[in-house]
Amino acid sequence: AQSVTQLDSQVPVFEEAPVELRCNYSSSVSVYLFWYVQYPNQGLQLLLKYLSGSTLVESINGFEAEFNKSQTSFHLRKPSVHISDTAEYFCAVSETMEYGNKLVFGAGTILRVKS
Amino acid sequence: NAGVTQTPKFQVLKTGQSMTLQCAQDMNHNSMYWYRQDPGMGLRLIYYSASEGTTDKGEVPNGYNVSRLNKREFSLRLESAAPSQTSVYFCASSEGRGRNTGELFFGEGSRLTVL
Repeated sequence: AQSVTQLDSQVPVFEEAPVELRCNYSSSVSVYLFWYVQYPNQGLQLLLKYLSGSTLVESINGFEAEFNKSQTSFHLRKPSVHISDTAEYFCAVSETMEYGNKLVFGAGTILRVKS
Repeated sequence: NAGVTQTPKFQVLKTGQSMTLQCAQDMNHNSMYWYRQDPGMGLRLIYYSASEGTTDKGEVPNGYNVSRLNKREFSLRLESAAPSQTSVYFCASSEGRGRNTGELFFGEGSRLTVL
């Protein structure tokens, strides 16, 4: 079974500073990788995904993640964070099942942006 | 577009009481899921339904039952609630067939407290 490790449970950062949220997964086969974001008292929303092709994927609000197969990592980065980025971020890997795929989630990283 | 709708959003139960969480999706998705979210543990899969008429256990099925009523609806039942079932419950759906990457679409969650 696949697993996902998010190396930091909380990341505090000042507004306009860069941030990296780390994610490692266990898999020896092709994978699909996802980052979801959860704002307070809301459900999870897809932030970005890697399915194939370019190893660098971007979201519409300035986040990017790079798929690194040799290091089995999919770290999330943003060069300059905003207060509104305060949320919990979940990394997930798609696990192939008989009927299709299902997601395995990491424990989450809480990003706290301070002014 | 409603997406995935869960009811109720909040519920308080006493130990031993029963209740059903309802979930409906309007995206014509084949697969539906129930997750629970607990602090520091990410999302854990309770049950899933690959397609109408089928259900399977996930990581933490004990104490729960599910019904895939039709393609749109997937309910989660707690027959005899326990304090350990205090959690936030999320319903999700995915395409489930064809080029299925595992990408999930989530409801807004149901916060359950068992006293």
